[in-house]
Amino acid sequence: GAVVSQHPSRVICKSGTSVKIECRSLDFQATTMFWYRQFPKQSLMLMATSNEGSKATYEQGVEKDKFLINHASLTLSTLTVTSAHPEDSSFYICSARDRGHEQYFGPGTRLTVT
Amino acid sequence: QKEVEQNSGPLSVPEGAIASLNCTYSDRVSQSFFWYRQYSGKSPELIMSIYSNGDKEDGRFTAQLNKASQYVSLLIRDSQPSDSATYLCAVNIPEGSARQLTFGSGTQLTVLP
Repeated sequence: GAVVSQHPSRVICKSGTSVKIECRSLDFQATTMFWYRQFPKQSLMLMATSNEGSKATYEQGVEKDKFLINHASLTLSTLTVTSAHPEDSSFYICSARDRGHEQYFGPGTRLTVT
Repeated sequence: QKEVEQNSGPLSVPEGAIASLNCTYSDRVSQSFFWYRQYSGKSPELIMSIYSNGDKEDGRFTAQLNKASQYVSLLIRDSQPSDSATYLCAVNIPEGSARQLTFGSGTQLTVLP
């Protein structure tokens, strides 16, 4: 149980374009989903927390107009990187939490902006 | 002071030995504690959760929690080369905070064959 999927697993896009990443909880309803970013050899950095049906809460320093988060249902959250630039290239990982305390991660999306 | 601190390592142990990973946290009201394993290039995988003082065992893994000392550890018995990974300690901040799970920077473990 407690499976979280992400799509796509890898994406390459050109600078200035937008990329959408989907995160789904497959076998449980996720009241809260989280989006993280991880640069090579660095620790996870929380970008935002989203609750189903409400606006996401962004961490300090994360531009909400650039990283659009939508949590339309209890099983789906999306992250859209708008007007991507090479410095946005990173490993984006979502996680989902059920009604308990445990948080399960998706497999991640590796974004490369050329 | 960082909220969750871990030795970054690298920690090397021979195959078959016990690997001991340590974590301290600063928020006394923290309630839930987790250990994640992250292989290079992969996302974190939850391996242990612990909520009350004492030891919790699951196979070769034992988590130990001491809330008075604000300390949580992970022991890996009979370490295998496949255990080589970065281990992340995570602490759950109580409800109401936007940052509900705070991660340490991770300890890199290498198990030598």
